[in-house]
Amino acid sequence: IVLTQSPGTLSLSPGEGATLSCRASQSVNTYLAWYQQKPGQAPRLLIYEASNRATGIPVRFSGSGSGTDFTLTISSLEPEDSAVYYCQQRRDWPITFGQGTRLEIK
Amino acid sequence: QLQLQESGPGLVKPWETLSLTCTVSGDSISSGSYYWGWIRQPRGKGLEWIGSITSGGDTYNNPSLKSRVTMSVATSKNQLSLKLSSVTAADTAVYYCARASPGHCGGGSCYGYWGQGTLVTVSS
Repeated sequence: IVLTQSPGTLSLSPGEGATLSCRASQSVNTYLAWYQQKPGQAPRLLIYEASNRATGIPVRFSGSGSGTDFTLTISSLEPEDSAVYYCQQRRDWPITFGQGTRLEIK
Repeated sequence: QLQLQESGPGLVKPWETLSLTCTVSGDSISSGSYYWGWIRQPRGKGLEWIGSITSGGDTYNNPSLKSRVTMSVATSKNQLSLKLSSVTAADTAVYYCARASPGHCGGGSCYGYWGQGTLVTVSS
């Protein structure tokens, strides 16, 4: 299953909202996760099963979608949100990741 | 708190076998029903799933790596191992082991716990 993320890069200011998209080549139901990765760090799980926030994740991160179209929304951006964001499906083997969206905070 | 630590040679010669270990602390590999994953990331690029293994030893590999991957679990040592044969420069990457957090994804392949990663360079 191919996951296509858009946009490739997003440049926004603190306080603004961000909308990141992930489209699957076939239905993954809600077996979709979102990760945040900062330089030199391992990815951090933000959202699992499309809309469930992982433990300790701030409420300004939210996920939605099912089937083939998914969205990660970050409300009221903070400087530390600057990172690359990946989606990942576990509906079918092999597990696949999207190519990532780079979020820059101006 | 579960902790994962990858270890292994940082430099592997072309066509040799890359061997990595993931040491688990804070919980037993045998506890619960989890899929343990191996993921890699070439420098400056995205994440690639290598494969998953259960504590019972069931394995699931990425077909893109064909039959070059071997994964195993050593429950007595609380360790996972990954072997990748016939490596080339394209296998140069940071390699991670990972696992789901309790209550997330039914123990399946969404990764709340990650090791810090280990860089493996393939070069003569």
